[in-house]
Amino acid sequence: DAGVIQSPRHEVTEMGQEVTLRCKPISGHNSLFWYRQTMMRGLELLIYFNNNVPIDDSGMPEDRFSAKMPNASFSTLKIQPSEPRDSAVYFCASSLVTSPQETQYFGPGTRLLVL
Amino acid sequence: QKEVEQDPGPLSVPEGAIVSLNCTYSNSAFQYFMWYRQYSRKGPELLMYTYSSGNKEDGRFTAQVDKSSKYISLFIRDSQPSDSATYLCAMSDGYGQNFVFGPGTRLSVLP
Repeated sequence: DAGVIQSPRHEVTEMGQEVTLRCKPISGHNSLFWYRQTMMRGLELLIYFNNNVPIDDSGMPEDRFSAKMPNASFSTLKIQPSEPRDSAVYFCASSLVTSPQETQYFGPGTRLLVL
Repeated sequence: QKEVEQDPGPLSVPEGAIVSLNCTYSNSAFQYFMWYRQYSRKGPELLMYTYSSGNKEDGRFTAQVDKSSKYISLFIRDSQPSDSATYLCAMSDGYGQNFVFGPGTRLSVLP
């Protein structure tokens, strides 16, 4: 399996621009997670989908952030308008939640820099 | 009080040392406990998984869970420079409920 695929791997943009991050989960997984990681705040869960339905978006920082999962093999995280404080590494992870054990498999991350 | 606490380090040890990494937590509903390893500029990867209290060993790595104390540990024997990474504990209620990561401990193993 190719693992979780994220694109782009790096993104540099200017404040006010729209940013779209993409994720392809592991085939057959039914849960998808978006995280943001910074030195100051560590790994923060932004939103969690189960069977393509958003379950918990309490971690989404503001209305500028939105996430969609139109099908089981694709998700996007959008920031509009972007701000310098959004600079971070954004990880997508997927898991198969059909047993009590649930382990998340992470993608390589998208390193976002907002100038 | 945060739900999961972990000493951020950095922790520096000489090659061959035994390393002890720890997490404490407050939610007694957690049943499943994991350790993830994250190399610089990479995503976290699952290292060890345990259910409820007890020990689990995998090569040089041993995970311990003490639910009565709400305390989990990861021991690394004969540490190697390749073990240098950030180690994050994670825990959940099971079935995808309330999955929480610790902030991570940065470990450096010096040759």
